[in-house]
Amino acid sequence: ETGVTQTPRHLVMGMTNKKSLKCEQHLGHNAMYWYKQSAKKPLELMFVYNFKEQTENNSVPSRFSPECPNSSHLFLHLHTLQPEDSALYLCASSQDETGPTNEKLFFGSGTQLSVL
Amino acid sequence: EDQVTQSPEALRLQEGESSSLNCSYTVSGLRGLFWYRQDPGKGPEFLFTLYSAGEEKEKERLKATLTKKESFLHITAPKPEDSATYLCAVSSNSGYALNFGKGTSLLVTP
Repeated sequence: ETGVTQTPRHLVMGMTNKKSLKCEQHLGHNAMYWYKQSAKKPLELMFVYNFKEQTENNSVPSRFSPECPNSSHLFLHLHTLQPEDSALYLCASSQDETGPTNEKLFFGSGTQLSVL
Repeated sequence: EDQVTQSPEALRLQEGESSSLNCSYTVSGLRGLFWYRQDPGKGPEFLFTLYSAGEEKEKERLKATLTKKESFLHITAPKPEDSATYLCAVSSNSGYALNFGKGTSLLVTP
């Protein structure tokens, strides 16, 4: 399989649930990102990892907890979410020699999350 | 604060009817301007990067241009398969994150 793969594609959860989103990239890239895409709003950067180390946390609430066990896998752990967290969550990767430049990104198809 | 504004919000074209999408930006020190295409149910797909005013890039029916204040994505003789949302984003010296616009939703009818 090639590219960036995200699972699940759709997720419905209650506000008291705990769930995780998974992302895997098969491109050999060193940087991975989580983005949030809400209706009628621009994409928002959430987290950045470079070689498994978190290099950016864009003021994201603590109910979102990222994990990057290696350069190919990225998780987003969710707990006690709010209805306004319903959105499309996109994972992306890039290959940057001097660190993540957040430029030419390869995106997965996203997880459409609904919080009831 | 960096700002990116895309217009129009939505555009409907007949097949073969050429047009342009606009991305105007306000940044403190532009590092790069990016165009992405997003199909329904999919993540954005990278199209172009432009770094300096006067630069142009082409790919099939698409041509991106850049000035000091805006970028245009010209679509020549579009086909229905060009229907998608086109996103513009900028990176600047003032911050790490890419600033995305809200996108232009393009529909090309046969």
